[in-house]
Amino acid sequence: DAKTTQPTSMDCAEGRAANLPCNHSTISGNEYVYWYRQIHSQGPQYIIHGLKNNETNEMASLIITEDRKSSTLILPHATLRDTAVYYCIVREGPNDYKLSFGAGTTVTVRA
Amino acid sequence: DGGITQSPKYLFRKEGQNVTLSCEQNLNHDAMYWYRQDPGQGLRLIYYSQIVNDFQKGDIAEGYSVSREKKESFPLTVTSAQKNPTAFYLCASSPSGTVGEQFFGPGTRLTVL
Repeated sequence: DAKTTQPTSMDCAEGRAANLPCNHSTISGNEYVYWYRQIHSQGPQYIIHGLKNNETNEMASLIITEDRKSSTLILPHATLRDTAVYYCIVREGPNDYKLSFGAGTTVTVRA
Repeated sequence: DGGITQSPKYLFRKEGQNVTLSCEQNLNHDAMYWYRQDPGQGLRLIYYSQIVNDFQKGDIAEGYSVSREKKESFPLTVTSAQKNPTAFYLCASSPSGTVGEQFFGPGTRLTVL
């Protein structure tokens, strides 16, 4: 069963913020939200993760709603190199060794 | 530079032959993983290993085998029992305690003719 729902695709203008939504309405209290991206024909790259607080790093920000049923990944200033498939993954705590990658959202950044 | 290497990038084999895909990491990570990706699909976990000399089946282990004799190495053998072996194979590793933050190699694209 898919734990997350993401739009199939979205476009973004270069230099603008890209907001990628993810629904995870069945998330439980000990499950984390992870985001990865995969540039064409390369291995996926870890972006960020969070449990219930908003998180920010050098790549992106993660906003998790208070009820934790959805989240948004924000790329603050999208560049052409951000064109990729973005995966939102829900994962249990330290004993869960599996990352379940769905189809993700194909993000195309246009000049 | 630390990282994960997979070789070769492209691999062609005849149907019925076993083939072994290489995965090496110099990140000193305890855990290693193998995933399979089909065109337009997400990744599916084949096997994972949390520590040397130990490994567990993932979601699609049938037709595959692995070994973990060294911390740095986690080779994957695609056997003739795997019905649809043509795919993109990705190896990853993670430190113990942060298994959600996996570092991926560049992948091997296997084509069985």
